[in-house]
Amino acid sequence: NAGVTQTPKFQVLKTGQSMTLQCAQDMNHEYMSWYRQDPGMGLRLIHYSVGAGITDQGEVPNGYNVSRSTTEDFPLRLLSAAPSQTSVYFCASRPTGGSNYGYTFGSGTRLTVV
Amino acid sequence: KNEVEQSPQNLTAQEGEFITINCSYSVGISALHWLQQHPGGGIVSLFMLSSGKKKHGRLIATINIQEKHSSLHITASHPRDSAVYICAVRYLGAQKLVFGQGTRLTINP
Repeated sequence: NAGVTQTPKFQVLKTGQSMTLQCAQDMNHEYMSWYRQDPGMGLRLIHYSVGAGITDQGEVPNGYNVSRSTTEDFPLRLLSAAPSQTSVYFCASRPTGGSNYGYTFGSGTRLTVV
Repeated sequence: KNEVEQSPQNLTAQEGEFITINCSYSVGISALHWLQQHPGGGIVSLFMLSSGKKKHGRLIATINIQEKHSSLHITASHPRDSAVYICAVRYLGAQKLVFGQGTRLTINP
């Protein structure tokens, strides 16, 4: 099925561990982004990319790294997990080249850091 | 202060009622999005607006660019409409979305 695929759906990490959240889309969307969703905070942008080889920081980038080696994939790396990174993470994509395109969201990854 | 303000934060209504959720923003935008999130679920894009009005089934979204305001209406509400509705805007010249805090809607049978 076309869309945005996020893996894993659930993950528990110990403080200090590293992991990568995967995001892949098969719609040839240039723009991809990562958000975290916390109770009472709404969705906040972590990092985004407007195309392969190009990434930029969002509102809350600290503790996270990204790369965009292909159009399809936009992984989010936690180098040393902290309890403050317990959250639900969403990846989203859209075409660029104008404002008349909606976003497609992945189903989310629920991360708990203990 | 959030740049995108939604009201109300919580709304409980009876099945069949007409529902209105409001969204206000601060500066010029290229697009406004309405999103739906069911409990424990993913996020679905309902509408993208840059002007006027859009309708999909029982859902209607309007935007007033001059007043920097948008509304999402649900006609003949149903318990399956119970969800969090999120307004998000893309400001002129920007790539990223700015999100409202969401409106939690509960429709009782």
